[in-house]
Amino acid sequence: DSGVTQTPKHLITATGQRVTLRCSPRSGDLSVYWYQQSLDQGLQFLIQYYNGEERAKGNILERFSAQQFPDLHSELNLSSLELGDSALYFCASSKGSSGALYGYTFGSGTRLTVV
Amino acid sequence: GEDVEQSLFLSVREGDSSVINCTYTDSSSTYLYWYKQEPGAGLQLLTYIFSNMDMKQDQRLTVLLNKKDKHLSLRIADTQTGDSAIYFCAESRGGYQKVTFGTGTKLQVIP
Repeated sequence: DSGVTQTPKHLITATGQRVTLRCSPRSGDLSVYWYQQSLDQGLQFLIQYYNGEERAKGNILERFSAQQFPDLHSELNLSSLELGDSALYFCASSKGSSGALYGYTFGSGTRLTVV
Repeated sequence: GEDVEQSLFLSVREGDSSVINCTYTDSSSTYLYWYKQEPGAGLQLLTYIFSNMDMKQDQRLTVLLNKKDKHLSLRIADTQTGDSAIYFCAESRGGYQKVTFGTGTKLQVIP
């Protein structure tokens, strides 16, 4: 157990629908990062939050949004889902605003299947 | 721009050494990492090296960095079946910069 908790582990939904993925960072970590892992695109950085504020943005679609709450858990909202959104979505956390120094701690991911 | 490349697959026999290679393009990279992903799990940080180092050894793992060629390698000595996983190379410029991951190398260890 890495200390980063992601729910749900698996999600199957239809095209056009909206889902919310949840992440609780490791105790003491203030930053949360969201990544998408698909077979053809590898591991893509989506967005980072630090202590409730958006810190960095990557290849995140406009149909996707995220937020970090006062208790530091984060949610990734995916809307108007398409078949191509099927992927593993990982959350990672780090102590500071940059995970660069000691790396990230990853959760075990949410596998999203859009049918 | 940032780009990190790895070969997709490596197969070795149990007991042999494995060498997983990675190249990166960002000459400003300050931190370089190796992560391991086992089936059904998230990525786990194995080791990291600062760009001012040439080598780092940690038990069976040896990381070599050739900054001139922007080449990073991970050597696993006495490879075991439990080492079978996908290994990701990653880099960051530090500060507020994000970590960029490679495509991952799938290591298969043959008993």
